[in-house]
Amino acid sequence: TQLLEQSPQFLSIQEGENLTVYCNSSSVFSSLQWYRQEPGEGPVLLVTVVTGGEVKKLKRLTFQFGDARKDSSLHITAAQPGDTGLYLCAGARGFQKLVFGTGTRLLVSP
Amino acid sequence: DTGVSQDPRHKITKRGQNVTFRCDPISEHNRLYWYRQTLGQGPEFLTYFQNEAQLEKSRLLSDRFSAERPKGSFSTLEIQRTEQGDSAMYLCASSFDGIGGEQYFGPGTRLTVT
Repeated sequence: TQLLEQSPQFLSIQEGENLTVYCNSSSVFSSLQWYRQEPGEGPVLLVTVVTGGEVKKLKRLTFQFGDARKDSSLHITAAQPGDTGLYLCAGARGFQKLVFGTGTRLLVSP
Repeated sequence: DTGVSQDPRHKITKRGQNVTFRCDPISEHNRLYWYRQTLGQGPEFLTYFQNEAQLEKSRLLSDRFSAERPKGSFSTLEIQRTEQGDSAMYLCASSFDGIGGEQYFGPGTRLTVT
């Protein structure tokens, strides 16, 4: 059973466009983490959100944790080719295992 | 570099052979996790350690799999009698006790069973 559903699964856009990736669950998590993964490499942590309603901004990336701590979104402004990769959300309950989403593969073309 | 390291990065083995992977976590991290990722999927949890104690094992971890962390530092994951279905990327992550408990991943070991 996949506890975290991401949408869209695949996104192909032109450089300069904006996009939003969604991560939804019926379960409550104590924190939610977003990772980006390049082919053949391990996931790289982008951000952790822990408070319901929290919004974090990292340059052109904006992350939001839902009020009920069941969902999250990642918004990228003015996407660049360097943003290309697999974006994964992962929910955690305390210090236990991460439950990963299905992933969103982003391709940004010049 | 003080990140999580894994060895080897790639392993090709024949069905039925045993393989062992090593993970060295970030030095001050007391928790260590193993995940498996197949093509097109997100990582799936296998097992995790707090110091040297193995606290949880997934039902994905059949009796052919064993993990150890004997001194609470590095960890090994062994797969006995490998099967073609074991082909995957094996990822190790570590974290420390704190708000968020962020897990930092190593580069992974890509296993191909022929």
